[in-house]
Amino acid sequence: DAGVIQSPRHEVTEMGQEVTLRCKPISGHNSLFWYRQTMMRGLELLIYFNNNVPIDDSGMPEDRFSAKMPNASFSTLKIQPSEPRDSAVYFCASTPGGAYEAFFGQGTRLTVV
Amino acid sequence: AQKVTQAQTEISVVEKEDVTLDCVYETRDTTYYLFWYKQPPSGELVFLIRRNSFDEQNEISGRYSWNFQKSTSSFNFTITASQVVDSAVYFCALSDTGRRALTFGSGTRLQVQP
Repeated sequence: DAGVIQSPRHEVTEMGQEVTLRCKPISGHNSLFWYRQTMMRGLELLIYFNNNVPIDDSGMPEDRFSAKMPNASFSTLKIQPSEPRDSAVYFCASTPGGAYEAFFGQGTRLTVV
Repeated sequence: AQKVTQAQTEISVVEKEDVTLDCVYETRDTTYYLFWYKQPPSGELVFLIRRNSFDEQNEISGRYSWNFQKSTSSFNFTITASQVVDSAVYFCALSDTGRRALTFGSGTRLQVQP
């Protein structure tokens, strides 16, 4: 099992640019989560999907952030336009049906300069 | 609202010492799940254990053990005979049946010195 796969692992971009983070969940898992980790706020949920449908997006900071899950094997998190305060590590995680432990990807370290 | 508190920001021990990481949680739900995750210096989040609110049995896995006490809303984690490889940030987390997402504590950084 390859685990949750995120790309890119590192992204450096200039303020104002569009950034797209990608995630491939573990095959057969039907819930997918996007978390953000910063020194100030720790690990916080941005959004989660169940069976490709967004269930809770209350953690999405503002309209500059959007997430999609077009199919069971792929999700994107987009930031447009990016700002320096978006610099963080973004984690994707997936969970099999009926279980609650989430399995995390390696994370994408985003730096907005 | 759910809340997880890890009051210990950083702990430093010498190899072979035992160490306990504290976790206190708040939730209004009667059914909930508690977790511990490990984040080594490489940055990934590694799942260690899940406990549900109906199972207060303590669990031991090798050098790791967990003590769940509903009466004090605590879910503490003990590493016996710590090793340098145990150096990491450890997160306690909580979820409930209504909201499957995890609420994390702020983490405890454990440094094990040789």
